[in-house]
Amino acid sequence: NAGVTQTPKFQVLKTGQSMTLQCAQDMNHEYMSWYRQDPGMGLRLIHYSVGAGITDQGEVPNGYNVSRSTTEDFPLRLLSAAPSQTSVYFCASSRQGEGLWTEAFFGQGTRLTVV
Amino acid sequence: RKEVEQDPGPFNVPEGATVAFNCTYSNSASQSFFWYRQDCRKEPKLLMSVYSSGNEDGRFTAQLNRASQYISLLIRDSKLSDSATYLCVVTGTGTASKLTFGTGTRLQVTL
Repeated sequence: NAGVTQTPKFQVLKTGQSMTLQCAQDMNHEYMSWYRQDPGMGLRLIHYSVGAGITDQGEVPNGYNVSRSTTEDFPLRLLSAAPSQTSVYFCASSRQGEGLWTEAFFGQGTRLTVV
Repeated sequence: RKEVEQDPGPFNVPEGATVAFNCTYSNSASQSFFWYRQDCRKEPKLLMSVYSSGNEDGRFTAQLNRASQYISLLIRDSKLSDSATYLCVVTGTGTASKLTFGTGTRLQVTL
């Protein structure tokens, strides 16, 4: 029972490099989302998706792109990494039950450092 | 005003104490509410859902006050292992709504 799988767990990038953080879930959840968490701060929503082919911006979308071509996968792309994107990134998924979002399950996080 | 607000703490309490956290939300149409626990550098995990009638799970009690737009978490007989950050989560209505997290309240239980 995999749940939500995030890869990689750790990554160091140079400023200007691009990369994709992978997130996959095997629970057939409609809702998937990406958050970043900086020291002493809460989870800030980057992008989210309520189903395949549907994405929307969260609180801090600049510098990130997402796509949702399948229900299972929700990759997060950093187009040109900047030191300000050094953070811990979490992917989460959830499903609807009787029209309401239920418990969110999280991946283990990706610790990204941009130098 | 933030959509979901929490007192960041830290709340420092002795073992065995009772401690309560509140979380306020701004959207009166919010439908689902949860408390999550996050240990240092780990992913958040569901502690409990919050139902309209209030609910209890062992030493933990969650309440919802729709009139004043807040949810609360009460921890009785605190244990050292309760030390963590507690996040409240609020979701909106409809299929296009998102999950919004508070910034968390840090609890430190001491001997």
